[in-house]
Amino acid sequence: GAVVSQHPSRVICKSGTSVKIECRSLDFQATTMFWYRQFPKQSLMLMATSNEGSKATYEQGVEKDKFLINHASLTLSTLTVTSAHPEDSSFYICSAVSGHTDTQYFGPGTRLTVL
Amino acid sequence: AQSVTQLDSHVSVSEGTPVLLRCNYSSSYSPSLFWYVQHPNKGLQLLLKYTSAATLVKGINGFEAEFKKSETSFHLTKPSAHMSDAAEYFCVVSVGGATNKLIFGTGTLLAVQP
Repeated sequence: GAVVSQHPSRVICKSGTSVKIECRSLDFQATTMFWYRQFPKQSLMLMATSNEGSKATYEQGVEKDKFLINHASLTLSTLTVTSAHPEDSSFYICSAVSGHTDTQYFGPGTRLTVL
Repeated sequence: AQSVTQLDSHVSVSEGTPVLLRCNYSSSYSPSLFWYVQHPNKGLQLLLKYTSAATLVKGINGFEAEFKKSETSFHLTKPSAHMSDAAEYFCVVSVGGATNKLIFGTGTLLAVQP
C-alpha cells in the first residue's frame, strides 16, 4: 500500500529556534498534502493544505508566517516551525493524497518538544 | 459546515465480544465518511470509507460500518474483538471525498480486556 514517511520522528529544540519537518510520499505522487496538529489526548486539527507548486492554504487561526509550508515536488512537503515556543510543542502529522485511490495516507507523525 | 461527534471517549470490551463505536455526523452536503485507527507510535490507518455507494461498508480487520442517513450515524462495529484492536479510533467526515479536507472526531479509545 501507499506509504508516507515523516522525518524526524522526534525533535527537541530550544525556544526561539526553527525546526523543519519533512513529509514524503514514498511510492506515489501527491499533488496535495495536508498538515495536522494533534495535542495530547485530542483529535487532529487541520493546519494547512499544501499543493505542489503553489502556496499553501492555511486554516483559520493558523499563523502562516510561523508555520511555513513548502511543497516543492510531488513527493515532498516540508513544515517549518519558525521561532518555536513551548506552546508549539505538539504532534505534527502529515497526509498525502493518492489520486489513484482517492485516499489520504498519513505519516507516522513528528513529536516536537520545545524547551 | 461539517462535523462529527463520537459519543464515547472510551470503550472497554472483553476479547471475543462485539465492538460498537458510535459516530454521528453533520453535513450540509452528501458526506464522505471514514473511520481511521491510530495505534501508539504508528500512523493513522484507514479502516473503511463511505462515499455514497453501498450503505454497509466493510473494511479491514473485520470492521464494518453502516451509513444511516435518517439517523445521521456511521457507527463502527466488529463481531468479535481481538487484543490487537486496542487503539484510538477516529470518525472522519469530508465533503468531496478523501482528497479534500478531513474533519476529525475527538476519538474513541478502545480497550480490549483478556
